[in-house]
Amino acid sequence: GEDVEQSLFLSVREGDSSVINCTYTDSSSTYLYWYKQEPGAGLQLLTYIFSNMDMKQDQRLTVLLNKKDKHLSLRIADTQTGDSAIYFCAEGTGNTGKLIFGQGTTLQVKP
Amino acid sequence: KAGVTQTPRYLIKTRGQQVTLSCSPISGHRSVSWYQQTPGQGLQFLFEYFSETQRNKGNFPGRFSGRQFSNSRSEMNVSTLELGDSALYLCASSPGTGYYGYTFGSGTRLTVV
Repeated sequence: GEDVEQSLFLSVREGDSSVINCTYTDSSSTYLYWYKQEPGAGLQLLTYIFSNMDMKQDQRLTVLLNKKDKHLSLRIADTQTGDSAIYFCAEGTGNTGKLIFGQGTTLQVKP
Repeated sequence: KAGVTQTPRYLIKTRGQQVTLSCSPISGHRSVSWYQQTPGQGLQFLFEYFSETQRNKGNFPGRFSGRQFSNSRSEMNVSTLELGDSALYLCASSPGTGYYGYTFGSGTRLTVV
């Protein structure tokens, strides 16, 4: 079945790199997304990667995809206090609006 | 360019009542998806509408329904509200495929008392 797993919590110091991990089960997934949610807000699309890619870099964000292990990671370089939020990974086929989300990883950035 | 607009932002309803939530997608986007977010179950897909037709549906009871109008605006309706329906309801719009990602609104916080 479809399932996406994430670790629940990550704490880092300001200026360090953060790495948030995600595993998924659906091999038919075409797109893998990372969303950010701040308190009281909706979901903000950070970046996404196609399943035929291994890596995507977008400013401070780097996404790595290991298709064999169905493992996805989001690296945030030079983490700032404003990066404190919940981060969700999600998978989708791209043909419909149905996304399967992980439980979300709460990122705490300490000054 | 305006984002996805959801109204109202907050709603308090009594058990047994019904409620209608509205979502206006980004101009030009033809797909609108709805999600329910709760602390216990996380983000769960409700349904998706594309060009006024339901294209996909999640595992929710028939009390949850939706529709899409010719201008792509969408509404979802929940009848006979239960306490467990208290949640943040999010809608997302896209041009029609996942190629550009899905843009979410700020959500409607529904509290059932």
